[in-house]
Amino acid sequence: ETGVTQTPRHLVMGMTNKKSLKCEQHLGHNAMYWYKQSAKKPLELMFVYNFKEQTENNSVPSRFSPECPNSSHLFLHLHTLQPEDSALYLCASSQETSTSSYNEQFFGPGTRLTVL
Amino acid sequence: AQTVTQSQPEMSVQEAETVTLSCTYDTSESDYYLFWYKQPPSRQMILVIRQEAYKQQNATENRFSVNFQKAAKSFSLKISDSQLGDAAMYFCAYRTRGGSNYKLTFGKGTLLTVNP
Repeated sequence: ETGVTQTPRHLVMGMTNKKSLKCEQHLGHNAMYWYKQSAKKPLELMFVYNFKEQTENNSVPSRFSPECPNSSHLFLHLHTLQPEDSALYLCASSQETSTSSYNEQFFGPGTRLTVL
Repeated sequence: AQTVTQSQPEMSVQEAETVTLSCTYDTSESDYYLFWYKQPPSRQMILVIRQEAYKQQNATENRFSVNFQKAAKSFSLKISDSQLGDAAMYFCAYRTRGGSNYKLTFGKGTLLTVNP
């Protein structure tokens, strides 16, 4: 596998279910991101992890719980979701340094989530 | 807070013709990056082109070029010799330069259709 992979690609769940989304990056990056992409809305940054430490939580409801066990893997644990949480969830990674140089974010293909 | 606006929800172009996608942004910062991302039906977000705000010269990548007007806070994307494979959603994005803020702020996107 190369780049950023996400599993599953599609997920349908009921509001009482618990599921997890998985992201893996094969690029040796130290920062990983979760974005939510809803129809007719801009991509919304949800969480940022740098060196496994969460550096940003963009006011995301607690029914979304991220986990970053190492710099290559990122999970998004889901429980008691609402129908309005149905969206495409994108994972991304980048190599961040202390300098001001640019570091491209590489995106995965996303998980299409439907909450019934 | 920064905002990014794409005023064209949809655009279409004939194959081999040229099309320009518009983007405006609002920021109080003087140093930042601007990007155009492409998201084809496969959903994988791909970086098309980037521009550093401190550079006056417009960025170009093969058939893709930008018109960066810093004072007007405008950042349009021109696609020359359009190809069928250019059909996708195009997102304009902004990022602060430097520091520990890795956040990308996206516009709502423009759906580009390429007609044969």
